[in-house]
Amino acid sequence: GAVVSQHPSRVICKSGTSVKIECRSLDFQATTMFWYRQFPKKSLMLMATSNEGSKATYEQGVEKDKFLINHASLTLSTLTVTSAHPEDSSFYICSALGQGAGETQYFGPGTRLLVL
Amino acid sequence: AQSVTQLDSHVSVSEGTPVLLRCNYSSSYSPSLFWYVQHPNKGLQLLLKYTSAATLVKGINGFEAEFKKSETSFHLTKPSAHMSDAAEYFCVVSEFQGGKLIFGQGTELSVKP
Repeated sequence: GAVVSQHPSRVICKSGTSVKIECRSLDFQATTMFWYRQFPKKSLMLMATSNEGSKATYEQGVEKDKFLINHASLTLSTLTVTSAHPEDSSFYICSALGQGAGETQYFGPGTRLLVL
Repeated sequence: AQSVTQLDSHVSVSEGTPVLLRCNYSSSYSPSLFWYVQHPNKGLQLLLKYTSAATLVKGINGFEAEFKKSETSFHLTKPSAHMSDAAEYFCVVSEFQGGKLIFGQGTELSVKP
């Protein structure tokens, strides 16, 4: 149980385009989802916290207009990187939290974004 | 404010020998503590968690960790390393169950044959 999926697993896009990443909790309802960014050989940096049906809470230094987060249902959150630039290239990981998951964050497999 | 420090950025052991990955935390509250493992280009897998129950926590794949409040430590151990244990390990603290996670910088574990 407590499986979280992400789609796509890998995406390459041109500079200036937008990319949407989906995060789904497959076997539980996620009241809260988190989005992280991980640079090579580095730890995870929390970008934002999203609660179903409300606006996401962004961490300091994260541009909310650049990283749009939508948590439209209890099983789906999306992260859209708008007007992507090469410096946005990174590994993006989501996690989901819900009562069905024992109040533990379960992580998705990550999405590798490369902006050319 | 909470923080977590992983004392070694890289640990190398031989297969079959014990593993010790060190972690110290700082928290104003009784924290929840976790160890996650990440294999290359993969997401994170929960190894074990401490949430104010037994101080010795047993996890998956033979790993365990002991919560020592007096030392503010939560070191991860395994009696005998396996080649498949080679990965990045993160010690994580949360102020409360379901709260924001604060990650350590990670420890890369290498296992030599």
